[in-house]
Amino acid sequence: KAGVTQTPRYLIKTRGQQVTLSCSPISGHRSVSWYQQTPGQGLQFLFEYFSETQRNKGNFPGRFSGRQFSNSRSEMNVSTLELGDSALYLCASSLRPDRGGTYNEQFFGPGTRLTVL
Amino acid sequence: QQQVKQSPQSLIVQKGGISIINCAYENTAFDYFPWYQQFPGKGPALLIAIRPDVSEKKEGRFTISFNKSAKQFSLHIMDSQPGDSATYFCAATNTGTASKLTFGTGTRLQVTL
Repeated sequence: KAGVTQTPRYLIKTRGQQVTLSCSPISGHRSVSWYQQTPGQGLQFLFEYFSETQRNKGNFPGRFSGRQFSNSRSEMNVSTLELGDSALYLCASSLRPDRGGTYNEQFFGPGTRLTVL
Repeated sequence: QQQVKQSPQSLIVQKGGISIINCAYENTAFDYFPWYQQFPGKGPALLIAIRPDVSEKKEGRFTISFNKSAKQFSLHIMDSQPGDSATYFCAATNTGTASKLTFGTGTRLQVTL
């Protein structure tokens, strides 16, 4: 079974530009979450999607947005890039969202390394 | 109240030794505590997890100890091997409300020969 795939793996942008990152979940997984990983802040939750709806959002500015398609694939977009947006962006998929005390394991992709110059 | 504090930041252990990583949380609504292992160039992968109604869980060489009253939990790696060299993250989540993992800051473990 193929794992979570993320494209592109590496990306270099300049300040002010926008960027779109893509995530294909494991086949059959319908929930997708995004995390930002930086040396200073560690792993921070960005948002979670299920059935094309954003279920939960972390504490990030509105420049960070995402969406999910009917095939469960997800994209995240960062507009007006800042130097501080340089990070590894990780996508994780699970069968379904956690609910009623059941943990659905999140499987992480390898990430997209974004560098903002 | 959403923080998970993790220590130490880095750890060097000799082969065959015991590696111990500690975490503490504040939010009493957390009800699931997974540990993730991350190798360079890879995403985190679930290693072992525990719920607060259990004080200890063991899977092979990996053991989680959980102290609910102190709001602390720890990962013990017995007989540490060079292949265990990685970054370890503790995490916590509330499975009743959201699929949102709150991570600790990570511990870089190096197991020497």
